[in-house]
Amino acid sequence: DADVTQTPRNRITKTGKRIMLECSQTKGHDRMYWYRQDPGLGLRLIYYSFDVKDINKGEISDGYSVSRQAQAKFSLSLESAIPNQTALYFCATSDLSRPQETQYFGPGTRLLVL
Amino acid sequence: AQSVTQLGSHVSVSEGALVLLRCNYSSSVPPYLFWYVQYPNQGLQLLLKYTTGATLVKGINGFEAEFKKSETSFHLTKPSAHMSDAAEYFCAVSSNNAGNMLTFGGGTRLMVKP
Repeated sequence: DADVTQTPRNRITKTGKRIMLECSQTKGHDRMYWYRQDPGLGLRLIYYSFDVKDINKGEISDGYSVSRQAQAKFSLSLESAIPNQTALYFCATSDLSRPQETQYFGPGTRLLVL
Repeated sequence: AQSVTQLGSHVSVSEGALVLLRCNYSSSVPPYLFWYVQYPNQGLQLLLKYTTGATLVKGINGFEAEFKKSETSFHLTKPSAHMSDAAEYFCAVSSNNAGNMLTFGGGTRLMVKP
């Protein structure tokens, strides 16, 4: 079984709808991250969480919110989806706070907002 | 602030030819450097990373990268391309000043011709 899973893998929604993307991990890591990937821009950080009680905004948090329900679960919500939120979304985890620590990525959720 | 520039959003090589993917970084403090690979419909997988010590780093699948501080570069190479190397490759930087935050380049899509 995969260490980092994301659901759904694909989602089509309409402008104005609220949607939630979910991430679960079995690696036992404290740190979790949400990124979005756009062609030519690489991955950009949306939110990150150091532990269940710690949530931090990343580079592009506007229009998004997150919830860390447990050590293993980190959800990303789009309160009112808009077309420019169409992207590939990745969840990642890491074990420690050291900057040289590897981040482990889920398979991604492809979101299309019409 | 830290940043990463990947020269060439698309690189095409023939099977058996040398692979060279370019990455230049900017960081005000000693960097930690990473190369990730993304195969179609999958998440990112760590290829290799440089933290400290030896500047030539060997990774999985025959890839290696050399940290050159004077050139602020961390180019990825493989002596002989294989069809299975076709993927998108991301260079990323982190540092002690940035906690465990990764900053990604825009990605380079590698195509391998038979």
